[in-house]
Amino acid sequence: EADIYQTPRYLVIGTGKKITLECSQTMGHDKMYWYQQDPGMELHLIHYSYGVNSTEKGDLSSESTVSRIRTEHFPLTLESARPSHTSQYLCASSGVREAFFGQGTRLTVV
Amino acid sequence: GQSLEQPSEVTAVEGAIVQINCTYQTSGFYGLSWYQQHDGGAPTFLSYNALDGLEETGRFSSFLSRSDSYGYLLLQELQMKDSASYFCARTGGGNKLTFGTGTQLKVEL
Repeated sequence: EADIYQTPRYLVIGTGKKITLECSQTMGHDKMYWYQQDPGMELHLIHYSYGVNSTEKGDLSSESTVSRIRTEHFPLTLESARPSHTSQYLCASSGVREAFFGQGTRLTVV
Repeated sequence: GQSLEQPSEVTAVEGAIVQINCTYQTSGFYGLSWYQQHDGGAPTFLSYNALDGLEETGRFSSFLSRSDSYGYLLLQELQMKDSASYFCARTGGGNKLTFGTGTQLKVEL
């Protein structure tokens, strides 16, 4: 069973609010990822990290930011939420072959 | 770019064999993996190929041809519970893990 956790699972928030989506893993993986996925659609890579203090933007431009101060923790922050940010956000970590996903955060900005 | 192309939808009957194809960009390629995602769930790992050839794991097999920038996932003895979305994913330079467009598999009686 994967040991990667995301909180909150669901979030409804007003436009302009600052939010942080939490992601933690206990597998000691160096590589971690954030994906954005709309229902029935593909996963778009928005951020990734290959270790502490290393983060890179993914293929899909995003107004969110990430940090990697500790190996196990990879939070994603939106400074000012907008309705266009409404989506599901999936966090993952990987070893050599396999990536493990959290259960996701379904974000709705009203 | 880093795009991976898959058929959008495949339909098959229970007990049949189905193949889901994936083509990918070659630059900085390290390996190809496959994930299953049920509606409302998180993707789960199925298989990984770093070298050419076939990898078999129970009813699922995955194939890679690096010279053709092509791979496929083969599902045998289909069951209703196999109805899900299937994604190929490319491990590339800088440890990026990029997913394909996804294939929705519908298994019918």
